[in-house]
Amino acid sequence: QKEVEQDPGPLSVPEGAIVSLNCTYSNSAFQYFMWYRQYSRKGPELLMYTYSSGNKEDGRFTAQVDKSSKYISLFIRDSQPSDSATYLCAMSAMDSSYKLIFGSGTRLLVRP
Amino acid sequence: GAVVSQHPSWVICKSGTSVKIECRSLDFQATTMFWYRQFPKQSLMLMATSNEGSKATYEQGVEKDKFLINHASLTLSTLTVTSAHPEDSSFYICSARGASGSYNEQFFGPGTRLTVL
Repeated sequence: QKEVEQDPGPLSVPEGAIVSLNCTYSNSAFQYFMWYRQYSRKGPELLMYTYSSGNKEDGRFTAQVDKSSKYISLFIRDSQPSDSATYLCAMSAMDSSYKLIFGSGTRLLVRP
Repeated sequence: GAVVSQHPSWVICKSGTSVKIECRSLDFQATTMFWYRQFPKQSLMLMATSNEGSKATYEQGVEKDKFLINHASLTLSTLTVTSAHPEDSSFYICSARGASGSYNEQFFGPGTRLTVL
């Protein structure tokens, strides 16, 4: 079993839809949770960064962490064609390695 | 802020040659840099972690003699793929973590696409 599970998609939605992306994990030591957006043949771009449980909002993006269920989500409101990309969740424990464990990524397509 | 660059962005080489990839943090000092590789439609796999002035820590299964990492300064790390073979063809991405700021924020470079003929 992978430490971080993420549905690879593709997920296709019409422009303006609310998008929900999710990851589950098995390591209860994870404390830091991140969402990255990666366009084709580009490096990942950090979208959201959350420590421990709770919600965080930034513009059209909302990140949720439920540590009791080992489940994290990223919501995108009013989705735009420019949001079409692969979204990677990543997480790490509070240790000195600073290593990130990535999900496999979900490919999102927002149709005009 | 928090810009990381990589050079080159794309390289083609012959089998058996060595290729060096540079990773630079442009506007911050990176105490730790990470090297990943990514195959098409797959996630990022951590290869090694490097701290400035010390030897890199390699992940299990990564050949340290084949993938040489040098982190000579707080703004530069290099990955050298020695005696490259076609199976080394991949997308190599570095990331950098600053000395300050959030505990575990990593900023990624744009990646280097390596093709070995």
